[in-house]
Amino acid sequence: DADVTQTPRNRITKTGKRIMLECSQTKGHDRMYWYRQDPGLGLRLIYYSFDVKDINKGEISDGYSVSRQAQAKFSLSLESAIPNQTALYFCATSDLTGWQETQYFGPGTRLLVL
Amino acid sequence: AQTVTQSQPEMSVQEAETVTLSCTYDTSESDYYLFWYKQPPSRQMILVIRQEAYKQQNATENRFSVNFQKAAKSFSLKISDSQLGDAAMYFCAYRRGRTYKYIFGTGTRLKVLA
Repeated sequence: DADVTQTPRNRITKTGKRIMLECSQTKGHDRMYWYRQDPGLGLRLIYYSFDVKDINKGEISDGYSVSRQAQAKFSLSLESAIPNQTALYFCATSDLTGWQETQYFGPGTRLLVL
Repeated sequence: AQTVTQSQPEMSVQEAETVTLSCTYDTSESDYYLFWYKQPPSRQMILVIRQEAYKQQNATENRFSVNFQKAAKSFSLKISDSQLGDAAMYFCAYRRGRTYKYIFGTGTRLKVLA
């Protein structure tokens, strides 16, 4: 079974709709992240959470919100979707083991906003 | 600000041959980590190899190795005995010390020719 899962894998929605992307992990990691990937660009950080009570904005948080329901679950919401939020969204987890923190990514959610 | 540059949008290699993907970065920090991630058509981001800046020895993982030139701020990935399954997008990433923030390059698409 996958350690980091994302649902849905693909989603088409309309402008103005609210949508939630979900992420679950079985790795037992405290840190979770949401990234966005656009064609020709690298991943950009939207939000990150170091534990259930610690949520922080990344470099492109406008138009997004998150919820850390439990250590294993981290959801990303688009309150009112717009077409330029069409992208591939990745959830990631990490466990700071000494100096060798490594991020583990989910399979991604492809979102199309019409 | 730190930046990561991958100047090769696309590369091709013949099966069983060797290919090198380039990555340069800019930082004034002395404590940092560098990563190569692979993104196959399945979209999942998979860690290929990691290098700690304080280590002079180049990291290797089976057929994957890096050429880490700290003074030149260069971090290239060498794939030996290329296989069809190596075809993917490869991202170089930088992380400063024990921070959360990863900076990704724009990626290099690797094609493996049979």
